[in-house]
Amino acid sequence: AQTVTQSQPEMSVQEAETVTLSCTYDTSESDYYLFWYKQPPSRQMILVIRQEAYKQQNATENRFSVNFQKAAKSFSLKISDSQLGDAAMYFCASGGNEKLTFGTGTRLTIIP
Amino acid sequence: KAGVTQTPRYLIKTRGQQVTLSCSPISGHRSVSWYQQTPGQGLQFLFEYFSETQRNKGNFPGRFSGRQFSNSRSEMNVSTLELGDSALYLCASSLRREYEQYFGPGTRLTVT
Repeated sequence: AQTVTQSQPEMSVQEAETVTLSCTYDTSESDYYLFWYKQPPSRQMILVIRQEAYKQQNATENRFSVNFQKAAKSFSLKISDSQLGDAAMYFCASGGNEKLTFGTGTRLTIIP
Repeated sequence: KAGVTQTPRYLIKTRGQQVTLSCSPISGHRSVSWYQQTPGQGLQFLFEYFSETQRNKGNFPGRFSGRQFSNSRSEMNVSTLELGDSALYLCASSLRREYEQYFGPGTRLTVT
């Protein structure tokens, strides 16, 4: 079974600043994948970034990067140079041979 | 490439009725998953289909069912609707389970 925990229901950040969203997970699988998804208000869920658990190198996509600590089962998302368009609900998810399991989400507000 | 499409986008039903939701995955994607999203419960996994076979099922009552056709299109059915079934139903497709999932816009179901 997999569990994903996002302990920050809400966060806010000043425009152009950096923010880190936390996620911890637990899985019994040895081969799994981790994802961050973004769901803007009333809009479609989109993939932000993906990390294979077997890779030690942290994934990066433009202003988005992760800090993957496998031993600690931690998978945080760092957003650099925050923009107004980053305002959304962010979901951490874990998947492997079993279903994709989502956390409860973190609502990110960008302060102009 | 066209994205995941879901029809209808909005639906209003009354208690006791049944409903069928449709999902067309991205061309070439053979895995289709369904999720229920509510403010109180977050994102909950319903089921996953791959090549017309249900590979995984979440903890939902038997009133929730689904199927996948040979062209990978999928439908989910909810019988004997209850007020608590009001939710956003999301469909997601992927090449393989361990790959990232691409979400559709969802079907907003309201049960009165």
